[in-house]
Amino acid sequence: NAGVTQTPKFQVLKTGQSMTLQCAQDMNHEYMSWYRQDPGMGLRLIHYSVGAGITDQGEVPNGYNVSRSTTEDFPLRLLSAAPSQTSVYFCASSLLGGGGNQPQHFGDGTRLSIL
Amino acid sequence: GDSVTQMEGPVTLSEEAFLTINCTYTATGYPSLFWYVQYPGEGLQLLLKATKADDKGSNKGFEATYRKETTSFHLEKGSVQVSDSAVYFCALSDSGAGSYQLTFGKGTKLSVIP
Repeated sequence: NAGVTQTPKFQVLKTGQSMTLQCAQDMNHEYMSWYRQDPGMGLRLIHYSVGAGITDQGEVPNGYNVSRSTTEDFPLRLLSAAPSQTSVYFCASSLLGGGGNQPQHFGDGTRLSIL
Repeated sequence: GDSVTQMEGPVTLSEEAFLTINCTYTATGYPSLFWYVQYPGEGLQLLLKATKADDKGSNKGFEATYRKETTSFHLEKGSVQVSDSAVYFCALSDSGAGSYQLTFGKGTKLSVIP
């Protein structure tokens, strides 16, 4: 199993450009989520999904869109990149159930710089 | 809302030293507690977890006990190795609304020197 795969690993954008960060998992996990990691801030939840066709906002959703058309894929879209979105982005997935005690599996991250 | 507070780093220890990283939490429900580890250039990996009061999670020589009375989940290891150098995150998942969301502490960077 590949686990959670994120592409690309690195990306540099100019302000105002758009792009999509890809995330795919092969573990048949219902729950998928996107976090951003900034120095001194820990990880903050951007958007999450509990199944195909269902998405919801996390703590810092502004400037980002998501969709979940299949169980496997959960892309994150930046419609108009801003320097404040420079960060490391992590996708994670887990099973549902157990009252939230299922561990989340993380990808290796996408390092995004906005100039 | 829910929150996690963990000791600020960085922490530098000599090999074979004892490690403690403090973590306290606030939660509206009855949370599950986790420690995740992030090695350089990689994503987070689950290190250990505990789902109810007085549970002890353990893995790779690390331990943490769920203390409901003090709302704490401190990470300990008796003898650290250079390979333990990483960033450690305490996190919780609340049993209330949105129970699959993880709330993270800010992370503690550990460096172990030979």
